Amino acid sequence: DIQMTQSPPSLSASLGDRVIITCRASQSISDFLNWYQLKSGKAPKLLVYAASSLQRGVPSRFSASGSGTDFTLTISSLEPEDSAIYYCQQSYSVPWTFGQGTQVDIK
Amino acid sequence: EVQLAESGGGLVKPGGSLRLSCETSGFNLNDAWMSWARHTPGRGLEWVGRINRKTDGGTTDYAAPVKGRFTISRDESRLILQMNNLKTEDSGVYYCTTVGVATINGLDNWGQGTLVTVSS
Repeated sequence: DIQMTQSPPSLSASLGDRVIITCRASQSISDFLNWYQLKSGKAPKLLVYAASSLQRGVPSRFSASGSGTDFTLTISSLEPEDSAIYYCQQSYSVPWTFGQGTQVDIK
Repeated sequence: EVQLAESGGGLVKPGGSLRLSCETSGFNLNDAWMSWARHTPGRGLEWVGRINRKTDGGTTDYAAPVKGRFTISRDESRLILQMNNLKTEDSGVYYCTTVGVATINGLDNWGQGTLVTVSS
């Protein structure tokens, strides 16, 4: 199975800060990498698919990049509504696997 | 508009069974790839399994922890997750999702989830 490792596990940042979350795959997954946002009491939301494509309706302050084994999700200017847990997920081969998540808090 | 609504969660003893249902609307379930995922505070999001389109054979794949115990199927407009021999570590919120073709296997629509608690 492909293991997905996210870092950091959690972070606390101020409004307007630039936030970067990284995700590493245990083997090459090309660009079969997706990012999700999970807020308490709400359904998870697909933010990014195919490593760098923003899902419809996702604010442009979110961006993502990477291919192969190393990927990043960037929030260019942190907003209050960005407080959430962020997960990467590989859809290259089954079983599809998620990273452990990164909790983003507002200072 | 795609809509997904899970039901069937509840409290069950270890070794017991539950049948989760996901009512779908806004698309043809037979033409869709579908998936189940779950979330627990301790382990985060976990992929449970998927079912391919009927035209692709309707085949299924499962994560190792649930293989042989869980079964995904379709019943008209409902996606079903039959869970047998449940373990305490199966506790969590279960979500059905669509698997997007346009999103290159991204899980692009999610229901609100249904809570499963496995406890004696």
